[in-house]
Amino acid sequence: KAGVTQTPRYLIKTRGQQVTLSCSPISGHRSVSWYQQTPGQGLQFLFEYFSETQRNKGNFPGRFSGRQFSNSRSEMNVSTLELGDSALYLCASSLEGQALGLNEKLFFGSGTQLSVL
Amino acid sequence: QQQVKQSPQSLIVQKGGISIINCAYENTAFDYFPWYQQFPGKGPALLIAIRPDVSEKKEGRFTISFNKSAKQFSLHIMDSQPGDSATYFCAARMNSGGYQKVTFGTGTKLQVIP
Repeated sequence: KAGVTQTPRYLIKTRGQQVTLSCSPISGHRSVSWYQQTPGQGLQFLFEYFSETQRNKGNFPGRFSGRQFSNSRSEMNVSTLELGDSALYLCASSLEGQALGLNEKLFFGSGTQLSVL
Repeated sequence: QQQVKQSPQSLIVQKGGISIINCAYENTAFDYFPWYQQFPGKGPALLIAIRPDVSEKKEGRFTISFNKSAKQFSLHIMDSQPGDSATYFCAARMNSGGYQKVTFGTGTKLQVIP
């Protein structure tokens, strides 16, 4: 079974630009979460999608948005990029994202390393 | 508000030694505590996890110790090996409107030297 696939692997942008990152979850997984990873801050939760709907949202500005398609693939968009947006963006998938599910493990992709110059 | 505090930020251990990473949480609504291991260039991968009704869980050389009253949990890596060199994240999961929400610690970079 293929794992979580994120594209592109690396991205270099300049301030003010916008960027779109893509995530394909494990086949059969319907929940997709996005995290921002920076040194010293760990993994910060951005948002979670299930059945094309955003279910949970972290404390990030509105410049960060996402969507999920009917095939569970998800995209994340960051508009008006700032230097502080430089980070590794990780996508994670799970079956249903149910809180009480014993098998609700998160499976992460390798991430997209975004550098904002 | 950081809800899961992890220490130390970095750790150097000699081969064969014991690596210990500690985490503390504040919110008693957390009901599942996983640890993730991340190698350079890779995403985090689930290593081991524990529920709060258990005080200890062991899987091979990896053990989680859980102290519910102190709201602390720790990862012990016995007989540490150079291949264990990675960044380790503790996490805590809670029910958010019926669905899971996972909060991560800030990570510990472990280096095991031969």
